[in-house]
Amino acid sequence: KNEVEQSPQNLTAQEGEFITINCSYSVGISALHWLQQHPGGGIVSLFMLSSGKKKHGRLIATINIQEKHSSLHITASHPRDSAVYICAVLKLQGAQKLVFGQGTRLTINP
Amino acid sequence: DTGVSQDPRHKITKRGQNVTFRCDPISEHNRLYWYRQTLGQGPEFLTYFQNEAQLEKSRLLSDRFSAERPKGSFSTLEIQRTEQGDSAMYLCASSPKGQGNTGELFFGEGSRLTVL
Repeated sequence: KNEVEQSPQNLTAQEGEFITINCSYSVGISALHWLQQHPGGGIVSLFMLSSGKKKHGRLIATINIQEKHSSLHITASHPRDSAVYICAVLKLQGAQKLVFGQGTRLTINP
Repeated sequence: DTGVSQDPRHKITKRGQNVTFRCDPISEHNRLYWYRQTLGQGPEFLTYFQNEAQLEKSRLLSDRFSAERPKGSFSTLEIQRTEQGDSAMYLCASSPKGQGNTGELFFGEGSRLTVL
């Protein structure tokens, strides 16, 4: 079993819908990251969380440390939000490296 | 542009050839990471440098793979005797000094390798 699991793996929605992507992890962490990857490969950091909730524009990320779970929400989704969203955690033990989920491919149709 | 840059962006090679990728991190970032990503999967850790010291190597990094960061600035990842299974996107990321345990990473655009 992977240490970081995301769901769903693929998500297709209509423009304007509220989107939720989930991330569960099974290890102790010091931080959790949400990343966005567009076709072509470039990865952009969206959020870095160690507790609570963060908001940036239409994006909201939450984390529940006790339940080892995080969610990424997109409000008023738009076709330009179409991308792969990746959850990654920095483990409490071990080297300073991120462990990644497999990603969620989001497609927003106009 | 002061982001992480990788070269080449795309490489097509025949099985058995050697390839080398270069990564230039953001200036003064002392940590540099190499990840590999195959289609439909998240990135997998390959190796990590703090300055010029290679501190960890994944078991994914077979003896055909070698990475260097000779002066603590740019890094190279060489794959010898390439195999079709090496086809992937090779991602480089750097992390600034003083970030402690937050793990904030800045990624390059990646180098896509296709082995025929």
